[in-house]
Amino acid sequence: GAGVSQSPSNKVTEKGKDVELRCDPISGHTALYWYRQSLGQGLEFLIYFQGNSAPDKSGLPSDRFSAERTGGSVSTLTIQRTQQEDSAVYLCASSLEPSGSGNEQFFGPGTRLTVL
Amino acid sequence: GNSVTQMEGPVTLSEEAFLTINCTYTATGYPSLFWYVQYPGEGLQLLLKATKADDKGSNKGFEATYRKETTSFHLEKGSVQVSDSAVYFCALPNTGGFKTIFGAGTRLFVKA
Repeated sequence: GAGVSQSPSNKVTEKGKDVELRCDPISGHTALYWYRQSLGQGLEFLIYFQGNSAPDKSGLPSDRFSAERTGGSVSTLTIQRTQQEDSAVYLCASSLEPSGSGNEQFFGPGTRLTVL
Repeated sequence: GNSVTQMEGPVTLSEEAFLTINCTYTATGYPSLFWYVQYPGEGLQLLLKATKADDKGSNKGFEATYRKETTSFHLEKGSVQVSDSAVYFCALPNTGGFKTIFGAGTRLFVKA
């Protein structure tokens, strides 16, 4: 079966514009995660979905960031009024159940966002 | 809450050298422990895991043993290859058990 897919793979935008990043998790995976990885840095947790609900939004850096998940499947991460410091690779991951209980996370290839 | 600390990189080795990447953790109870790997230009993928104390996870010649006495989960490989060049992340669940906490990552360069 298909793995986690993300689109677009690359996005270049101008400062102040809004962007939408999409994640298609593995079918049947109930948990979905968004992370941000800046150049040469580790993973920064952004938000976690269980089904369509987001029990943990603690990692969203500011109110310019929002995310939703519909139908327990596709998720979109929206960044409004982008800033240059938003430039990073945005990674999406899914797992069959919440990853804390020993379940593997499956990662997508990421979306590289560049804000000029 | 749970946390993980791994050695800083980059680590540069010659082919066939022995590899150790240190990882220590702080946790409530005995959660599962993971090593993920990120090859150049790719997303992360699970390398190995151990689900309880004293377990040894292994894959692709890599091994890590869950040691509760030293709260460690060091990654080892007896003979590295150029193709092992990647970033390695140690990870464990958060205290609530619904998400994974990743270490800062250790970049490995293997020279031919």
